[in-house]
Amino acid sequence: GQNIDQPTEMTATEGAIVQINCTYQTSGFNGLFWYQQHAGEAPTFLSYNVLDGLEEKGRFSSFLSRSKGYSYLLLKELQMKDSASYLCAVMDSNYQLIWGAGTKLIIKP
Amino acid sequence: GAVVSQHPSWVICKSGTSVKIECRSLDFQATTMFWYRQFPKQSLMLMATSNEGSKATYEQGVEKDKFLINHASLTLSTLTVTSAHPEDSSFYICSAGRTSESSEQFFGPGTRLTVL
Repeated sequence: GQNIDQPTEMTATEGAIVQINCTYQTSGFNGLFWYQQHAGEAPTFLSYNVLDGLEEKGRFSSFLSRSKGYSYLLLKELQMKDSASYLCAVMDSNYQLIWGAGTKLIIKP
Repeated sequence: GAVVSQHPSWVICKSGTSVKIECRSLDFQATTMFWYRQFPKQSLMLMATSNEGSKATYEQGVEKDKFLINHASLTLSTLTVTSAHPEDSSFYICSAGRTSESSEQFFGPGTRLTVL
């Protein structure tokens, strides 16, 4: 079956760096998405990786290894406003999104 | 657990026809279901929130007469795109929550609508 795994919850300190991992097993691969979702709001697109390697966008970076079925989202210089849920989703060969359950990130002062 | 399905996965239709998309929570009862629209590599745009047995709450700018939402049971919500036009072509995603808090959402795989 198809499966996306990511940690349920993580805690980090303001100003620090945190890495949120995502492993996947899907029928085919047409890209991996990371979204940020604050409580009561719609998910916000953060990144899209379809080739191996690191994509950097400001304080956020996303890495993909297709051979390992692995991705991570790296958040630097954490701010209190980064407290949110982070969703990993993979688009399979049928262009369907397979969603992870999300990682709740708690930032402490 | 917490699986959400959508049907159909793909739909191609002629301009002017209506299309119904189903969203089902397979192993839990969904008090609230959300309907989103997504354009390529963009954020999900919330269209409406529906609670079982009551009328859906539409976001500003979403025509409720064009996008009909029915949440008749705790496991099924439907979105009907009436008189579809090419600009309605998009990826429609539903999510379901056990509670009304949107932080507890489980997302469906999406339905790709193409209107010719």
